[in-house]
Amino acid sequence: GNSVTQMEGPVTLSEEAFLTINCTYTATGYPSLFWYVQYPGEGLQLLLKATKADDKGSNKGFEATYRKETTSFHLEKGSVQVSDSAVYFCALSGPDSNYQLIWGAGTKLIIKP
Amino acid sequence: NAGVTQTPKFRVLKTGQSMTLLCAQDMNHEYMYWYRQDPGMGLRLIHYSVGEGTTAKGEVPDGYNVSRLKKQNFLLGLESAAPSQTSVYFCASSRRAGVDEQYFGPGTRLTVT
Repeated sequence: GNSVTQMEGPVTLSEEAFLTINCTYTATGYPSLFWYVQYPGEGLQLLLKATKADDKGSNKGFEATYRKETTSFHLEKGSVQVSDSAVYFCALSGPDSNYQLIWGAGTKLIIKP
Repeated sequence: NAGVTQTPKFRVLKTGQSMTLLCAQDMNHEYMYWYRQDPGMGLRLIHYSVGEGTTAKGEVPDGYNVSRLKKQNFLLGLESAAPSQTSVYFCASSRRAGVDEQYFGPGTRLTVT
């Protein structure tokens, strides 16, 4: 079945550091891939998505590229800010899951000033 | 535009008690979802609905019931609460399944003692 694996957290970085949060998936065919973010005390919100191989999703300085050959969708940002501190979830949607979202466990990101 | 709202925000129940969580959305979305979020486990789908009058089981439906009598509302019921149902519950809605963004409510923190 479908599954999503994210790197374990927490990830602690200093402000202006480069960020990578790894996400790999297992699915048949070409699922759609998502990154959602959850700020403290809030619900989740979509950060970016990609719906076909080699697509790059981007938003708020974050980027992720859909790599079919490595079944990955790693989240990157060139220079993080304290306000980026949150929990980041990778997810996929495809026919195997009846197009419902399959979620990774989440990665907590802590940015220190 | 309120988006997705959930009531209540917090609740403490004793084992065996019942309660209903209410979710409302004002975006005219067809799809609605109930998730639970537990530490280190990401989000798990409890039940979902693909339109008014429909419901379907998700990954962890046992111990919960749902109803979608009106398009804008999705109710989650616990008939006999158990400590294992202590969790944060999120409601979400989307226009379609698959590639469309899911919009989340702020969550309900439920403790069962």
